[in-house]
Amino acid sequence: AQRVTQPEKLLSVFKGAPVELKCNYSYSGSPELFWYVQYSRQRLQLLLRHISRESIKGFTADLNKGETSFHLKKPFAQEEDSAMYYCALSGRRGSTLGRLYFGRGTQLTVWP
Amino acid sequence: SQTIHQWPATLVQPVGSPLSLECTVEGTSNPNLYWYRQAAGRGLQLLFYSVGIGQISSEVPQNLSASRPQDRQFILSSKKLLLSDSGFYLCAWSAALVNEQFFGPGTRLTVL
Repeated sequence: AQRVTQPEKLLSVFKGAPVELKCNYSYSGSPELFWYVQYSRQRLQLLLRHISRESIKGFTADLNKGETSFHLKKPFAQEEDSAMYYCALSGRRGSTLGRLYFGRGTQLTVWP
Repeated sequence: SQTIHQWPATLVQPVGSPLSLECTVEGTSNPNLYWYRQAAGRGLQLLFYSVGIGQISSEVPQNLSASRPQDRQFILSSKKLLLSDSGFYLCAWSAALVNEQFFGPGTRLTVL
């Protein structure tokens, strides 16, 4: 069965410090991984997806199939990065295609 | 461009009363539609999803039901609300066979 685990419910760092939000998954196949973000008073929105291999707002995430991880990283955190971050998984075919399985989320706070 | 609407934005209902939350999508045809519940510390739980009119799949047994009377309309209902139904309900849509989902603004439901 598919599962997404975000071990940290809360994470606090100071501005300018590196930040890493952890995400581990289990899935019997080749998944597609996403990070979604929800800023205060805004809608949940896609931040990045692993197949794009791009950096968004300074964030990157590499899919590590050996460790079944998809950690989100940023070398220098900014105050505006404070938000709730969700890791999500979707299958590439069958009944899991198009369906997202979310982790419980990590609330990131960046202090000035 | 595509937009997704939800209403009402907030709702306070007594235990045992009925519920109807509405979600509509504009600017696209034949979307996949989803209802999630976002509870503090529990992340996003998929409640229902639909790939077409009248086609509803339920993810978890519960006190709620969903209907899709029109292509771009998705309704979440209950005949008798429970205290445990309180939460933040999100509607989302995606294009068929595409994994990226777009979320609505959500409805905050409080059952007293």
